[in-house]
Amino acid sequence: DSGVTQTPKHLITATGQRVTLRCSPRSGDLSVYWYQQSLDQGLQFLIQYYNGEERAKGNILERFSAQQFPDLHSELNLSSLELGDSALYFCASSKAQGGYEQYFGPGTRLTVT
Amino acid sequence: GENVEQHPSTLSVQEGDSAVIKCTYSDSASNYFPWYKQELGKRPQLIIDIRSNVGEKKDQRIAVTLNKTAKHFSLHITETQPEDSAVYFCAAKNSGGSNYKLTFGKGTLLTVNP
Repeated sequence: DSGVTQTPKHLITATGQRVTLRCSPRSGDLSVYWYQQSLDQGLQFLIQYYNGEERAKGNILERFSAQQFPDLHSELNLSSLELGDSALYFCASSKAQGGYEQYFGPGTRLTVT
Repeated sequence: GENVEQHPSTLSVQEGDSAVIKCTYSDSASNYFPWYKQELGKRPQLIIDIRSNVGEKKDQRIAVTLNKTAKHFSLHITETQPEDSAVYFCAAKNSGGSNYKLTFGKGTLLTVNP
C-alpha cells in the first residue's frame, strides 16, 4: 500500500457524460500527478499540481481538467467522454515538486460505453 | 520532448536466472530514472531509482546502471523468483525548467518460470 488513495475503483459511464476522479496523496506529500494508462498508449502523464497550483502539463485533452484543493486532495474531471477515454487513471504523489519518487495510487478504471 | 525506448517487450526466464531490461532516452538533460513494477490490475510500484550523478545503485536482488554518455540505463534482477513476474516500466525525468513529468517506456512483461 503506497498511502495514495483513489476513488472510485471502477466507473462505467456513457459517451458524452462527465465524471470526476478523486485522489488523496500520501501524508506529507504536496505534489499530485495524474496519469492515463491504456494498452495502446502506455502510461501517459497528464498534469501535475503542487500545493494547489498547476506545475506541469502533459498530453491532457482540453475536455479534461484537474485541480488540487487546500487539503491537498485532487480531482480529475473528464467531460464529453468518448469511447477512447476508456483507460486506467492513476494519480501519484511526491513530497516535493521536482517529480522525484512518485508513489502511485490503486487507480480508477474508467469504461465508457 | 523526451522519448524512452524499452527492450525487450517480453522476457521469459527460469527461476534463479538473472533478468536484464534496457532503456534508452533521448534528452541528455534528463536526470532521474526510476523503475516501476506493475502486477496485473495493480498500481505501478516504485522499486528502484537512480539519479544522473550516480552510475549504479543496488537494493538486494535489484540493481540499476546508468550510462549517461550512451543515454541508456538498465534494470538487473538476480536470482529471479516467480513473484518477480510482472510488467516493468522504466522512466526518465527532465531536469529543465518546470518540466517535472516522467516519460515512461512501453514496458517489459517479465515471466519467471518455476
